Amino acid sequence: DTEVTQTPKHLVMGMTNKKSLKCEQHMGHRAMYWYKQKAKKPPELMFVYSYEKLSINESVPSRFSPECPNSSLLNLHLHALQPEDSALYLCASSPTHRRQGSGAKNIQYFGAGTRLSVL
Amino acid sequence: QQQVKQSPQSLIVQKGGISIINCAYENTAFDYFPWYQQFPGKGPALLIAIRPDVSEKKEGRFTISFNKSAKQFSLHIMDSQPGDSATYFCAASPYSGNTGKLIFGQGTTLQVKP
Repeated sequence: DTEVTQTPKHLVMGMTNKKSLKCEQHMGHRAMYWYKQKAKKPPELMFVYSYEKLSINESVPSRFSPECPNSSLLNLHLHALQPEDSALYLCASSPTHRRQGSGAKNIQYFGAGTRLSVL
Repeated sequence: QQQVKQSPQSLIVQKGGISIINCAYENTAFDYFPWYQQFPGKGPALLIAIRPDVSEKKEGRFTISFNKSAKQFSLHIMDSQPGDSATYFCAASPYSGNTGKLIFGQGTTLQVKP
C-alpha cells in the first residue's frame, strides 16, 4: 500500500479563519513533506519533516504552521491566509529524507491533495 | 544552476503515436531523475526514474533516455493511449548535501486524441 491520505479534499476559508489540513500515511515512512501547487505549475516544496522533526522550511510565511504529531501524521495549520494562497496543497512521504545509495529510499509518494480556496 | 528545463509545455499526439518530452539540467550534482505523472484532481505519481550511470530505462510503454554529456533526459511514451492524457513532470535530485530535494521541471500537458 503506497497511499498517502489527505483531508479534506476541498476547503473554502475566509481570510480571518483558522483551519487545518491533515495528512496520514501508514507505510512506515519517516519523511513527510508539504508542497503547494498552483494551476499548471509544478509542486513547490514548503516543509520537510524527518523523523518527526522539521528539517526544511522553504521560507514559508508564518501564516502556514506545520506540525508532525507522530510518524504517521502531518498537519498544516492555516491562519490569516491571503487569496493568493489559494492552491492545491500536496502532502508526500518517503522512506527517509536523506538520500541513501540509489535514491530509492527518497522516492516520494504524493497524496491527492487538498484544494484550498481563500475568499 | 538548480533549474530543470522541460519542453514542450503542451503536446498533442494521436492514439498509437509516440509522445516525447525533453528535460535539460545544468547542475552536475543531480544524480537521480524521476518522472511524475499527474491527472487532474490528483497528486503526482512516480512513473519511472533513472540514474546517470544508465543511458536508457524501459518500463512497459515508458522509456527514459539519458544523455549525461549533454545533460539531457527524455521520456518516450510508445503507443500513446487516451488514458495517458495527463501532465508530466520531470525532476532531478542532487546527491550532494544528501537532502533528497526534488527540483521539478515546469511540466508538459499531454493530450492523446482517440
